[in-house]
Amino acid sequence: KAGVTQTPRYLIKTRGQQVTLSCSPISGHRSVSWYQQTPGQGLQFLFEYFSETQRNKGNFPGRFSGRQFSNSRSEMNVSTLELGDSALYLCASRSQGYTGELFFGEGSRLTVL
Amino acid sequence: AQSVTQPDIHITVSEGASLELRCNYSYGATPYLFWYVQSPGQGLQLLLKYFSGDTLVQGIKGFEAEFKRSQSSFNLRKPSVHWSDAAEYFCAVVISNFGNEKLTFGTGTRLTIIP
Repeated sequence: KAGVTQTPRYLIKTRGQQVTLSCSPISGHRSVSWYQQTPGQGLQFLFEYFSETQRNKGNFPGRFSGRQFSNSRSEMNVSTLELGDSALYLCASRSQGYTGELFFGEGSRLTVL
Repeated sequence: AQSVTQPDIHITVSEGASLELRCNYSYGATPYLFWYVQSPGQGLQLLLKYFSGDTLVQGIKGFEAEFKRSQSSFNLRKPSVHWSDAAEYFCAVVISNFGNEKLTFGTGTRLTIIP
């Protein structure tokens, strides 16, 4: 069974640009969550999607958005990039409710110059 | 506020020595508790989880954790560490807020193994 796949793995952007990250969950998993990981703030929850609906949202500005498609693949978008958006963005999927294990991808490392 | 705390930012142990990583939570009800490990350049992998029942939980890679309600703790232990255990370890808790549940992570403990 293929794991969670995130693309791209690395990318460099400049301030003011926008970026789209993609996540393909494990086959059969309908829930996809996104996390931002930085040395200063640790792992911060961005949002979770389940069956194309945003089920939960963290405390991030509106520049951070996401969506989920009918095949459970998910994308997140960050507009008007700031230097502080440089981070590892992790996607995770699960097959059931909150007792289920989260399976993480290897992340997309975004550098904003 | 509901939260999870890992008091140790960095721990160094010798290979073969025992290990205990601390995790404390602040939550009214019995939470769902997890330990994840992240190797350099990798995503996170679940080591073990506790929902209810036996307070001593066995996980993968020889790890175990004990839930202590009286101390609001869920410490991770391993009797004898291997060099491959060097990684960052995250304690996490599912927190429910007005019906919205999300997995919240501690700040992590970086484990260094010395020969």
